[in-house]
Parts: sequence; C-alpha cells; structure tokens
Amino acid sequence: DVKVTQSSRYLVKRTGEKVFLECVQDMDHENMFWYRQDPGLGLRLIYFSYDVKMKEKGDIPEGYSVSREKKERFSLILESASTNQTSMYLCASSLETSGRARNEQFFGPGTRLTVL
Amino acid sequence: TQLLEQSPQFLSIQEGENLTVYCNSSSVFSSLQWYRQEPGEGPVLLVTVVTGGEVKKLKRLTFQFGDARKDSSLHITAAQPGDTGLYLCAGHTGNQFYFGTGTSLTVIP
Repeated sequence: DVKVTQSSRYLVKRTGEKVFLECVQDMDHENMFWYRQDPGLGLRLIYFSYDVKMKEKGDIPEGYSVSREKKERFSLILESASTNQTSMYLCASSLETSGRARNEQFFGPGTRLTVL
Repeated sequence: TQLLEQSPQFLSIQEGENLTVYCNSSSVFSSLQWYRQEPGEGPVLLVTVVTGGEVKKLKRLTFQFGDARKDSSLHITAAQPGDTGLYLCAGHTGNQFYFGTGTSLTVIP
C-alpha cells in the first residue's frame, strides 16, 4: 500500500513565523502535490512537483514556496505565516503515467494549521 | 467556477436507506476517481473509472462513469453509519487534475 506521511497532524503558529510542512511518500512516485482544504472552497492546489527539484505553481501559490530535494520528500514553506493561511493542508502523491492514465492520487492524513 | 459540480452538497439519511451522489461537468475526462474523506483525515481513494459507461462495484457502493466521460454517479445501497464522510470526485484531463465540490454524507443510526 502507498503510504504518505505528513510531519504534523496539528500545528499552531504565530503570525509572521516561518512554517515548514513536510511530506514523505514511500512508493517511488514521481508526482507530489500540496493542497489546502477550506469549508465551502474544497481542495485547492498550491504547488505540485513532477520530479526532483522541479515545481509548478497551482491555483493559489501566493504566500507559499516548496522544496523537493529528494524524490520521496516534498516540503511546503510558509515564509511569513498569516491568519488567512489557517487551514487543513493535504499532501498527495501519484505515479507518473502517460497516455490514458489513471492518475490516482494518494493522500496523507493532513496537517491542521492554525495561525494566531 | 468549478469544473466538477457535485450534488447534493449535503445529505443526511437514516441507516438502511439508499442514496445517489452525482458528479457533473461539461468537460471530458480521461479518468475519474471517487474519494471518501473522514473528519480530520485525508481523502482515501475508493475507485477509478476510465471507460465511458463503465460500472464498478465495491460492496454496497456502485460507481458509474457516463457514456461521454463527462459525469459520474455513486450509489450506496443500505447506507450504514460507517459510510458517513465527505465524498469527492476528481477528474483528470490533459495535464490537469480537478476535484469536485464534495458531498457531505451523514448516516444516522
């Protein structure tokens, strides 16, 4: 079974702090994703990566950066946390496929971040 | 605007009832997934459908992909409290992956 783990389940930070959220997958997946999930807004893609050191902006990248130094690890960084970044953060990974792909994403348990 | 619209948004039913959740779009998808998410957890993949008209069954859950690969439905027979959760559909088209708006299901014992 694919296992995606996230460094923290719950995190409380103060406005202006630098926040690191880490995600690790153990199935040698090429693609990794960071989403945030908010009531009424659904899942929104922040950044994704299709290879080591490669990254692409998603729908809402402002205020975030990412790092992928190793294939299994994808980090989300909040350079200066703000209260509007309070949310549930979900990491996911998927296998790189071509053609008529299944493109199933496997999710971690999520990190509920509160910024005070 | 959302590429994938789910209905209903909220559903509360008694244990033993049947229900259907819909996932609709005007776009064609090469594959479509259904996920279930429990409170405080990440979404868990239930099924992937790839062929127009395809029907897949997972115990009491039946998934159907529309003939034109633009829509899908999830039917649950004899719902149980353990079915409670947020049901998300997600479609893949080109290089993009889109999530639906979600259906929050509560099954009352």
